[in-house]
Amino acid sequence: KAGVTQTPRYLIKTRGQQVTLSCSPISGHRSVSWYQQTPGQGLQFLFEYFSETQRNKGNFPGRFSGRQFSNSRSEMNVSTLELGDSALYLCASSFQGKDTEAFFGQGTRLTVV
Amino acid sequence: GQQLNQSPQSMFIQEGEDVSMNCTSSSIFNTWLWYKQEPGEGPVLLIALYKAGELTSNGRLTAQFGITRKDSFLNISASIPSDVGIYFCAYIFGNEKLTFGTGTRLTIIP
Repeated sequence: KAGVTQTPRYLIKTRGQQVTLSCSPISGHRSVSWYQQTPGQGLQFLFEYFSETQRNKGNFPGRFSGRQFSNSRSEMNVSTLELGDSALYLCASSFQGKDTEAFFGQGTRLTVV
Repeated sequence: GQQLNQSPQSMFIQEGEDVSMNCTSSSIFNTWLWYKQEPGEGPVLLIALYKAGELTSNGRLTAQFGITRKDSFLNISASIPSDVGIYFCAYIFGNEKLTFGTGTRLTIIP
């Protein structure tokens, strides 16, 4: 079956702009978690959506938000982009929200200039 | 979450060599996980450990859950070129979410 699909794969934005990233989970999976990966901070949990509701949230400012649609596809949005938001954004999908059973997508590489 | 310290940060080895890396924390955990991330890909779960002292293998990979529950080890035997990547340890916090270690980057010298 198809894996986790993230679009776009690469993105370049200017400071102050906003950006929306998309994640299509594996068919049948109801949970989508988002992670940010940077050289300095490593992999950090952003938030999780389960059945269209945010269920968990990491320690990120309110500029980072997300949502999940009825087909389990998820989007994350970052407003008022800062240079430090440059990162690889990964999503992971699972059936019940257990990340030990999650599959990661290839990520979206965001560069803020 | 608690910080996980991995060592070494990077390794340069020749094909065929064995590899050892470890992960330590100041806190006690009930689960240790090891992931591998290849260039351009997301992390893939290699091994999950759930009990202190547990030793689990996955092919040429062997991982152990330290008896103090504050550390874990990953060994790769007879390395091959496709072992290249970044290896992360991780633990589960709160509602089944992951906290990752700092990573060990493995490079294989031809």
